[in-house]
Amino acid sequence: EAGVAQSPRYKIIEKRQSVAFWCNPISGHATLYWYQQILGQGPKLLIQFQNNGVVDDSQLPKDRFSAERLKGVDSTLKIQPAKLEDSAVYLCASSHRDSGELFFGEGSRLTVL
Amino acid sequence: AQKVTQAQTEISVVEKEDVTLDCVYETRDTTYYLFWYKQPPSGELVFLIRRNSFDEQNEISGRYSWNFQKSTSSFNFTITASQVVDSAVYFCALTRYNQGGKLIFGQGTELSVKP
Repeated sequence: EAGVAQSPRYKIIEKRQSVAFWCNPISGHATLYWYQQILGQGPKLLIQFQNNGVVDDSQLPKDRFSAERLKGVDSTLKIQPAKLEDSAVYLCASSHRDSGELFFGEGSRLTVL
Repeated sequence: AQKVTQAQTEISVVEKEDVTLDCVYETRDTTYYLFWYKQPPSGELVFLIRRNSFDEQNEISGRYSWNFQKSTSSFNFTITASQVVDSAVYFCALTRYNQGGKLIFGQGTELSVKP
């Protein structure tokens, strides 16, 4: 069974530029999550989708971050414009149910200069 | 508010030693779930265990064991006879009963097992 796929693995941009990350969850997993992991910290949930609907985006900085999950399968997380403090690893995860047993991708590491 | 504290930032042991990773949590909920995840250098988090708040039985899986004590709000993780492949960052996490995927993570403990 293929795992959660994410791309790109690494991205370096300058502040005020934009960036997009892509995630393809495990086949059949209805729930998809984006987490932000700043160096030295635990991951923090940004947004949760159930199929193509948003369940929780309370911690998503909506002035600069956006995410979508068209057709209820893969998802895109966008940051525009990026700030220095957005430097982090963006982890995508999926689960069959909202059970907490999440399957994570390897993450997309963003460096904002 | 919910919070998870992993006071040990880094632990270094020699192979075959036993090691315990501490986790203390805070929640006002009576029903909740606790988790441990492993993050190897490749970056993905790997699920290890989920425990609900009603089940205080200790769990053993191979060289791994978990001690859940509601009285002290702790959910500690022990690796017996550690191996080099156990080197990773380990995260303890908490979620409300009806918010399964909204995990509140601790800051992680980096375990280094030396040969």
